[in-house]
Amino acid sequence: GAVVSQHPSWVICKSGTSVKIECRSLDFQATTMFWYRQFPKQSLMLMATSNEGSKATYEQGVEKDKFLINHASLTLSTLTVTSAHPEDSSFYICSALPGLATDEQFFGPGTRLTVL
Amino acid sequence: LAKTTQPISMDSYEGQEVNITCSHNNIATNDYITWYQQFPSQGPRFIIQGYKTKVTNEVASLFIPADRKSSTLSLPRVSLSDTAVYYCLVVGDTGRRALTFGSGTRLQVQP
Repeated sequence: GAVVSQHPSWVICKSGTSVKIECRSLDFQATTMFWYRQFPKQSLMLMATSNEGSKATYEQGVEKDKFLINHASLTLSTLTVTSAHPEDSSFYICSALPGLATDEQFFGPGTRLTVL
Repeated sequence: LAKTTQPISMDSYEGQEVNITCSHNNIATNDYITWYQQFPSQGPRFIIQGYKTKVTNEVASLFIPADRKSSTLSLPRVSLSDTAVYYCLVVGDTGRRALTFGSGTRLQVQP
């Protein structure tokens, strides 16, 4: 099956710093990638939809200036958490759509962000 | 998007069959029912998808009655490694294709 990777798998940073999380589709091209956030014991919440070559679409309540998304190629999308604060500590998961022929999304392993 | 309702948690023992039911009363004609599995600190993994009647793969079976207002995920002979959260999703052709996750069912398998 299609493989999606995320890097790093975990990161600890100080409050006020910025953190970049990469999402890569390893064996397919993804015109669309999604970013989700999951707090402990809670479900996944969609943050934004990332389309290659265009601006990301953010869900209501998600600050686009705080969560910068770049989908510069068909295999890479990045999420940058700017000026991170402890409340941004969460599990960030990306998923990728191989294309129009299928609706099945392939999820990355997630990135655990801890902001001190 | 059709809202889904499923039990918050279930307990089982190794070797038993586990059935997790999900209700989706407002499912639309073009919607599919999809189930994902998530282990702690991992991304969700696709288990099975169906439109109506019964679908079976090497991992699970999915039963969907004629009215499609509910569905049941059946896991045969569970093992400890099946302990996870199971999400029932209704996936439709909304043009956005993002997934809306409900609360999921936390399955705990005991030895």
